[in-house]
Amino acid sequence: DSGVTQTPKHLITATGQRVTLRCSPRSGDLSVYWYQQSLDQGLQFLIQYYNGEERAKGNILERFSAQQFPDLHSELNLSSLELGDSALYFCASSVGDGGTEAFFGQGTRLTVV
Amino acid sequence: SQQGEEDPQALSIQEGENATMNCSYKTSINNLQWYRQNSGRGLVHLILIRSNEREKHSGRLRVTLDTSKKSSSLLITASRAADTASYFCATDNGGSEKLVFGKGTKLTVNP
Repeated sequence: DSGVTQTPKHLITATGQRVTLRCSPRSGDLSVYWYQQSLDQGLQFLIQYYNGEERAKGNILERFSAQQFPDLHSELNLSSLELGDSALYFCASSVGDGGTEAFFGQGTRLTVV
Repeated sequence: SQQGEEDPQALSIQEGENATMNCSYKTSINNLQWYRQNSGRGLVHLILIRSNEREKHSGRLRVTLDTSKKSSSLLITASRAADTASYFCATDNGGSEKLVFGKGTKLTVNP
């Protein structure tokens, strides 16, 4: 158990809908990272928050947004969902702002139908 | 964007044999990390090697780093069926994309 909790584990939704994925980092970790894993694109970095502030941005679509709350949990919001958004979404956390190992949650499997 | 490229894409060996996976990357790095992923589950951190290190060991794992060739290798000795998983290298160049992962090597260890 990595100590990173993601909910829900599975999500099935229709095209055009909006969903929210939730992540609780390991106790004491200030950074939260979001990744998308699909068969054709592999693991893609989406966004990082450090102590409540956006710190780095990767290949995140404009339809996607995230935030980190004062208690350090994070949410990833995906809107206007398309079939191609079906993927595994991982949250990871680390103590600092990069430079160290990251601890991954078990992921949320999103299926858009 | 993909930074690391693992080679081979798939590897099948017998229990007890050694498994070697390679990773090549494109830009300078602060550190390189190896992760394991069991089918459809979260990634587990295996080992981190910094740019000023050449070799690191952890149990049955041995990682080497050659920054002049921009490459790393992961050796798993005396493999077990439980080592069956996908293995990813990830590079940290301190830049905007943080940890950038390759597409992984799928290792199958046959009992």
